[in-house]
Amino acid sequence: EVQLLESGGNLIQPGGSLRLSCEASGFTFNSYAMSWVRQAPGKGLEWVSGINSDGGITYSADSVKGRFTISRDNAKNTLYLQMDSLRAEDTAVYYCTKDRWISADSSSGRDFWGQGTLVTVSS
Amino acid sequence: QSVLTQPPSVSAAPGQRVTVSCSGSGSNVATHFVSWYQHLPGTAPKLLIYDNDRRPSGIPDRFSASKSGTSATLGISGVQTGDEAHYYCGTWDNSLSAFLFGGGTKLTVL
Repeated sequence: EVQLLESGGNLIQPGGSLRLSCEASGFTFNSYAMSWVRQAPGKGLEWVSGINSDGGITYSADSVKGRFTISRDNAKNTLYLQMDSLRAEDTAVYYCTKDRWISADSSSGRDFWGQGTLVTVSS
Repeated sequence: QSVLTQPPSVSAAPGQRVTVSCSGSGSNVATHFVSWYQHLPGTAPKLLIYDNDRRPSGIPDRFSASKSGTSATLGISGVQTGDEAHYYCGTWDNSLSAFLFGGGTKLTVL
């Protein structure tokens, strides 16, 4: 059974940093791209960042480019999202997702999602 | 405003069929696979359709989808009260080098 368990969400002041983690199990982690997707309160889904299966290629939404960094440790079956220079508009539930393919630029779909972790940016 | 355009809401009576549209452009829908997601409040989103028209195991055949040019459509037949949720389309965009979600469509079962 595929499981994705996010952690690291918290209340943080504007300008602060936070690192989210996603522990994966139930599939061959190093064979699939992974992504982070967020949902701000009252808003729709927004793709944040993606990383290919070996971690060598990453993509990020313009809204977080230069502030957020996605990475993975295939030995630990764990995906990360380092979030710096946080803003109020980054407040959202952050979901870890498994992609259906090895490359992060695949549009084949995100087939498994974690339950999400809440990040609140507020003073 | 989303690059992928969906109607904000649709409605149907139980047992009826409803469709949700997703309109994009040549740099996204026209050239990449489209996927569809169901999001019920308080739960994780679920993949309903991948590669334009394929259902993951466990998704009932009441859910179907198609794509033509720069538009894609999700169809739900025999609508049930349990289908009340937000539905999102998604695809890659070459120009933005980013995965995009549509703005989402809320299905209300009357």
